[in-house]
Amino acid sequence: SAVISQKPSRDICQRGTSLTIQCQVDSQVTMMFWYRQQPGQSLTLIATANQGSEATYESGFVIDKFPISRPNLTFSTLTVSNMSPEDSSIYLCSVLGGVYNYGYTFGSGTRLTVV
Amino acid sequence: DQQVKQNSPSLSVQEGRISILNCDYTNSMFDYFLWYKKYPAEGPTFLISISSIKDKNEDGRFTVFLNKSAKHLSLHIVPSQPGDSAVYFCAASAEGANSKLTFGKGITLSVRP
Repeated sequence: SAVISQKPSRDICQRGTSLTIQCQVDSQVTMMFWYRQQPGQSLTLIATANQGSEATYESGFVIDKFPISRPNLTFSTLTVSNMSPEDSSIYLCSVLGGVYNYGYTFGSGTRLTVV
Repeated sequence: DQQVKQNSPSLSVQEGRISILNCDYTNSMFDYFLWYKKYPAEGPTFLISISSIKDKNEDGRFTVFLNKSAKHLSLHIVPSQPGDSAVYFCAASAEGANSKLTFGKGITLSVRP
């Protein structure tokens, strides 16, 4: 299965600032996914990032708040812009294809605290 | 609207006993179900899955049961081991294994030595 390196692993940020999270995969993948897990909540898909095209955002998420880059088939970034305490969450990147070549493989996550 | 529900936030069992983790869903279009395990400071890792054409799938100590009429699935771990202590997420998709997943909130399993 793919190996995903995600960084930073955690950060504490001031409200109003932005944080960019990086996700590096050890193999080429067509689609990369960004999830958010707010405290006590389920994992929620933010957007799907395809190389060479704009990311597709889920309902409730917008590009101005969560801009995504996908410059090649092994790398993606998610920026959390103009942060507020409500953005405090774990952010995870994921790729399709894992054990037995189905399902998703996840990065280790970025724990973000906004103060 | 929570389409995948894990109503019990936590479960504690004795080592060697059976752990039963439950999951309910509301969307009748879901046709593929997965369980993920998550340790602290790590991402979720795939554990076991089941297609809607089956009612049981077994992999070693882990068995998933699906009751489509009740829209209910459960994960059985036998025998439970302290290393099984983690958060378990139930997830479902409407178009097979490689489509968008909808997750439950997770259940924290603690296995006591």
